[in-house]
Amino acid sequence: SQQGEEDPQALSIQEGENATMNCSYKTSINNLQWYRQNSGRGLVHLILIRSNEREKHSGRLRVTLDTSKKSSSLLITASRAADTASYFCATDKGGSYIPTFGRGTSLIVHP
Amino acid sequence: DAGVIQSPRHEVTEMGQEVTLRCKPISGHDYLFWYRQTMMRGLELLIYFNNNVPIDDSGMPEDRFSAKMPNASFSTLKIQPSEPRDSAVYFCASRRGGSGANVLTFGAGSRLTVL
Repeated sequence: SQQGEEDPQALSIQEGENATMNCSYKTSINNLQWYRQNSGRGLVHLILIRSNEREKHSGRLRVTLDTSKKSSSLLITASRAADTASYFCATDKGGSYIPTFGRGTSLIVHP
Repeated sequence: DAGVIQSPRHEVTEMGQEVTLRCKPISGHDYLFWYRQTMMRGLELLIYFNNNVPIDDSGMPEDRFSAKMPNASFSTLKIQPSEPRDSAVYFCASRRGGSGANVLTFGAGSRLTVL
C-alpha cells in the first residue's frame, strides 16, 4: 500500500498564483522528500525535509512538515507556466531510508 | 556525469514475449532501485539493490519478473512472459550509500506496451 498520498490529485491555477499541495503519510519517517515529474520524463528531486525540521525553503518552494499530524505541504509561490508538472512526496517507510511514493498531484499553470 | 541511463526508452511487444529493460546507474552510487509507474497504482517500488545485492524484492509482482545487477554499473529487469497488464513506465533510480542520503536520481524511464 502507498505510504504517502498527495492531495489534491489535480490542481489548475493561473500564472502568478500560489500552488499548495499536501501529503499525508501513515508511519513514522526519517525524512520526507518532494519530487517533480514533467510529462514523459523521470522524477527530479526538489527538496528534502528531515523529521526534526518544521519548515524549509528553496527558491520559490516552501515545505512544511507536521509529524504530529503525519502531513507535509509544498507551496510554490508566484507560479509560472513552466511549473506545470506532477509533484510527488516520498517518505521512507518505517524509517528504512527507502523512499516510497504517492500517486502525485498534477499541477497545471495557465499562462 | 550523464545521469542514470535507461534503455530502451520505448518498447512495444506482443503478449508472451520476453522483455529486458536495462539501467546504468550513476558511478559511485551504492543503491539501485526499480520502480513501475501506472495511472492506477502510481509509482511502485519493485526491487532495490545495495552494492549489487538484491535487498528487497517484495514489490516484484510475480515470478515472471526478475532483476539482476551483475556489477556496479549495470542492472536488468526482465519480464518473461510479458502480459498486457505489464504495460507501464519502468524507472530505474540510484543513490549514494549512507542512511541520511536517500535522495534518488531517476532515469528517463522505459515505456513498455504489451499488446
